[in-house]
Amino acid sequence: GQSLEQPSEVTAVEGAIVQINCTYQTSGFYGLSWYQQHDGGAPTFLSYNGLDGLEETGRFSSFLSRSDSYGYLLLQELQMKDSASYFCAVTGRNYGQNFVFGPGTRLSVLP
Amino acid sequence: EPEVTQTPSHQVTQMGQEVILRCVPISNHLYFYWYRQILGQKVEFLVSFYNNEISEKSEIFDDQFSVERPDGSNFTLKIRSTKLEDSAMYFCASRRDRESYNSPLHFGNGTRLTVT
Repeated sequence: GQSLEQPSEVTAVEGAIVQINCTYQTSGFYGLSWYQQHDGGAPTFLSYNGLDGLEETGRFSSFLSRSDSYGYLLLQELQMKDSASYFCAVTGRNYGQNFVFGPGTRLSVLP
Repeated sequence: EPEVTQTPSHQVTQMGQEVILRCVPISNHLYFYWYRQILGQKVEFLVSFYNNEISEKSEIFDDQFSVERPDGSNFTLKIRSTKLEDSAMYFCASRRDRESYNSPLHFGNGTRLTVT
């Protein structure tokens, strides 16, 4: 089977940097994705890591360590609009074309 | 930018009734999915669909559920006899590429199903 763990909640202030961690246990791992979901909205894609290292997209970066079964999403220069839930999702050989989502981390950005 | 559209946005039904949730995936996408999310919980995989047949399905996707692509644009999820625990937000998603895992899921805005 597979399991993913994320912190349930994170709080930070505007302008700060926050890191949301994701650990996974899975076989046949291919890659780790991150999705953002605002209250009442649909999940939207943020980033994907198939290889070890850091991927940067504007204020957001994502990191993967395959040997540690660990990744994180780094959000810089936090803005109020970043308040949302963030989900990591794994894909793997045993899942075919399926994406398995983690429990989600609710980020609250305070003024 | 093309998007996945879902109708209706909200469906209220009585226990035991059949419901059909509708989705129009992005036109050049090849893979289609249904996920559900119970309020405040994680996004759960139900089923994936490729080349006019089910590719994978989860334990949640039992005999009460079925999917269909009746024409070249629509993708539907049918729940034959709804139960109270089927109350959730149902998301349709599509994906362009089959082999590229960095090809992301594009989600619709969801249908909130309430079973009374």
